[in-house]
This record gives sequence, C-alpha cells and structure tokens, in this order.
Amino acid sequence: DIQMTQSPSSLSASVGDRVTITCRASQSISIYLNWYQQKPGKAPKLLIYAASSLQSGVPSRFSGSGSGTDFTLTISNLQPEDFATYHCQQSYSPPWTFGQGTNVEIK
Amino acid sequence: EVQLVESGGGLVQPGRSLRLSCTASGFNFGDYAMSWFRQAPGKGLEWVGFIRSKANGGTAEYAASVKGRFTMSRDDSKSIAYLQMNSLKTEDTALYYCTRDNGGNIEFWGQGTLVTVSS
Repeated sequence: DIQMTQSPSSLSASVGDRVTITCRASQSISIYLNWYQQKPGKAPKLLIYAASSLQSGVPSRFSGSGSGTDFTLTISNLQPEDFATYHCQQSYSPPWTFGQGTNVEIK
Repeated sequence: EVQLVESGGGLVQPGRSLRLSCTASGFNFGDYAMSWFRQAPGKGLEWVGFIRSKANGGTAEYAASVKGRFTMSRDDSKSIAYLQMNSLKTEDTALYYCTRDNGGNIEFWGQGTLVTVSS
C-alpha cells in the first residue's frame, strides 16, 4: 500500500495569512493526488484533483502543486471559512490512502 | 443534483452483522464505481472498498482490514449500493460514507451513517 505522510498535523494561522500544507507519498504517484477540506460534522469536500486542478466552485485562493512523491496545498489569503481539516489522498492505485490530516486553526 | 443517502447504521454487538445502503440520485448510477469510506471518531479517513461498474466487471476491492468480513454489492435498477458487514469488531466503529468514485477522485459524498460496535 502507498503510505501518505502529511505535515504539519496542525497549524495556527490568521485571516489573510498564506498557509502551506505538504504531503509525501511513499512511492511515486505521478500527479494522482487529491486534496479535501473537511469541517466538523461534515463530509469531506474535494478541493484539488490531479495535484493541481481546481475543482469546480472552489475559490482560486486554493492551489496545489507537485508530482512524483512531494505535493503542496497552498491557501493564500486565508478566510474565516477556511478553518478546517485538510486531507491529501492518492488515487494512483487502490487502496486509496490518505494522509493523517492537517487541522488549520485560528490563531 | 447528485445525492447520496446512506442508511442502515446503528448500534450492534461485536460479532454481529449490519447492512448499509446507499441510495443515489442525480446521475446514471450504473456508469460509476462506488466507494465506501469510514472515519472513526476523531480519526482520519479510511477507504473501505469499492465496487466497479458493471461495464468494468462489477467486481469489488476491499481494504485489508475488512477483507473477508465485508461485501459490497449494487442494484443498478434501483440505484442502490450496499455494504454488508459481518463479524463486526469494536474497531469497525465509525461514520461510514458512501461516495461516487471517479478513478479515485471522490467528488460526491453522502452525509454518512454511524456504525457503533459495542457490547
């Protein structure tokens, strides 16, 4: 199975900040990497697919980059509604596996 | 509008069985693979397995943690996916999500149904 390691596990930031979350795969997964946002009590929401493609309806302050084993999710100009948990997930080969999540909290 | 509605969760004793259902609407159900995920309280997301569309064989794949105990099936005429869970363990306690699986890109999720395994 492909292991996904996400960092940091949590971070504190202020509205307007630029936030970066990283995700590393245990083997090359090309660009088969997705990012999800999850708020308490809600199902995850797909933000970025194929490493850098923005899902329809997702604000452009969210961006993704990377290929191979190292990936990054960046949130520029953090907004109040962005405080949530973010998960990376590889879709290169089943079993689909996730990072442990990053909780973005208000500073 | 795509909708996925899970049902069938509840409290069950260890070793017993439970069947979850996922009723889909808003898309051609038979064209898509369906995946189940779960999330234990306060924990991360775990893929449980998926069932392919009939056009792709209709076969299922499972996570190692549930293989041999869980079985997925689908009724395309009713747009329903099922997750039969046997020999349940306390570690199966989680919120179970039904999703539409587009090659591992999970765009649509249900609201989840809670399964609690406890004596």
